[in-house]
Amino acid sequence: SQQGEEDPQALSIQEGENATMNCSYKTSINNLQWYRQNSGRGLVHLILIRSNEREKHSGRLRVTLDTSKKSSSLLITASRAADTASYFCATEMLGGNNRLAFGKGNQVVVIP
Amino acid sequence: DAGVIQSPRHEVTEMGQEVTLRCKPISGHNSLFWYRQTMMRGLELLIYFNNNVPIDDSGMPEDRFSAKMPNASFSTLKIQPSEPRDSAVYFCASMGRGEAFFGQGTRLTVV
Repeated sequence: SQQGEEDPQALSIQEGENATMNCSYKTSINNLQWYRQNSGRGLVHLILIRSNEREKHSGRLRVTLDTSKKSSSLLITASRAADTASYFCATEMLGGNNRLAFGKGNQVVVIP
Repeated sequence: DAGVIQSPRHEVTEMGQEVTLRCKPISGHNSLFWYRQTMMRGLELLIYFNNNVPIDDSGMPEDRFSAKMPNASFSTLKIQPSEPRDSAVYFCASMGRGEAFFGQGTRLTVV
């Protein structure tokens, strides 16, 4: 079974608004990662947050990690039409030998 | 580096035929993953290798599926015999610096 589960499944927002996605997982992790997938393409790595980190920023992306609740959130600020994609969280389990397990993904549509 | 290279990009085959998907990981990456993506099941990990050795193949759905990594620069995923329910996009990914780099995928259609 997949480790991460994103919530909500689909999000439609206006350009300029912020988009927030959540992810929960079940076991202890080394790190949690977020990926983006444009239609018909492979996944692209966005950001990695380690289990001892609580927040990380990369450009317009902000990721938080709460290991006590086994959850993470991805915030995209000032969204653009080009942000339209599916977003996946993935967890590398503690002692998992690099094994990456993905959630089912969030579909985000940014309306120009 | 050209990234992770998968071939073919598209494959249409008849039920019962053997299908072989190919992957060339990024040079220097020690881990390689095969995933399958469908609308119903999302992204499923089929098998992954560390240093060319299969570590976990618990995601391989049936004995019809097999994967090999004869060297650090090449891996195959074989389905024999193929069935319509195998239709999906199959992704190969290699890992470096803790990040997974995905190929463009092979869209398999079994009719």
